Amino acid sequence: KNEVEQSPQNLTAQEGEFITINCSYSVGISALHWLQQHPGGGIVSLFMLSSGKKKHGRLIATINIQEKHSSLHITASHPRDSAVYICAVIQGAQKLVFGQGTRLTINP
Amino acid sequence: EPEVTQTPSHQVTQMGQEVILRCVPISNHLYFYWYRQILGQKVEFLVSFYNNEISEKSEIFDDQFSVERPDGSNFTLKIRSTKLEDSAMYFCASSELRGEDGYTFGSGTRLTVV
Repeated sequence: KNEVEQSPQNLTAQEGEFITINCSYSVGISALHWLQQHPGGGIVSLFMLSSGKKKHGRLIATINIQEKHSSLHITASHPRDSAVYICAVIQGAQKLVFGQGTRLTINP
Repeated sequence: EPEVTQTPSHQVTQMGQEVILRCVPISNHLYFYWYRQILGQKVEFLVSFYNNEISEKSEIFDDQFSVERPDGSNFTLKIRSTKLEDSAMYFCASSELRGEDGYTFGSGTRLTVV
């Protein structure tokens, strides 16, 4: 069983729609990252969360430590948001354990 | 904005050859990492490095792999005798604290073993 599970694996939506990507994990963590990976392969950290909620522009991330669940929301989605979104948890001291990613496609 | 620099961006090597992947982490970061992503699969942890020694490594990181910080700025991953299954994108990352703040990834080196 994967330690970090994301849903959905693929998501296609129309421009302007509200997007939610979910992440559940089965291990103890110190924090959780949401990452973005574009087709060229580069990975960018969007958020690091250890509790509560964070907002950056149209992106909102929440985490519920007790339920071992996090969500990433995108408001007013745009085609440039099309990418793979990855949830990764920090285990032990330093290492990230990655989910399999959610491929998001926003159509104009 | 500070960035993690990886070279080369793409390397093709013959099976059995040694390769060295290079990374320049962010200068005030103290923790360094290598991850890999086989095509179509999720990103996997290889090794973390702190205070000039390995702090944690995965089962993937066997005797064929080694890391080094030779000169205080570069951080290298060496694969001694490459196998076909080593073909992957290799990402270097660095962080300031214990992996929680300022976790920055390089743009990756795509290694193709033929």
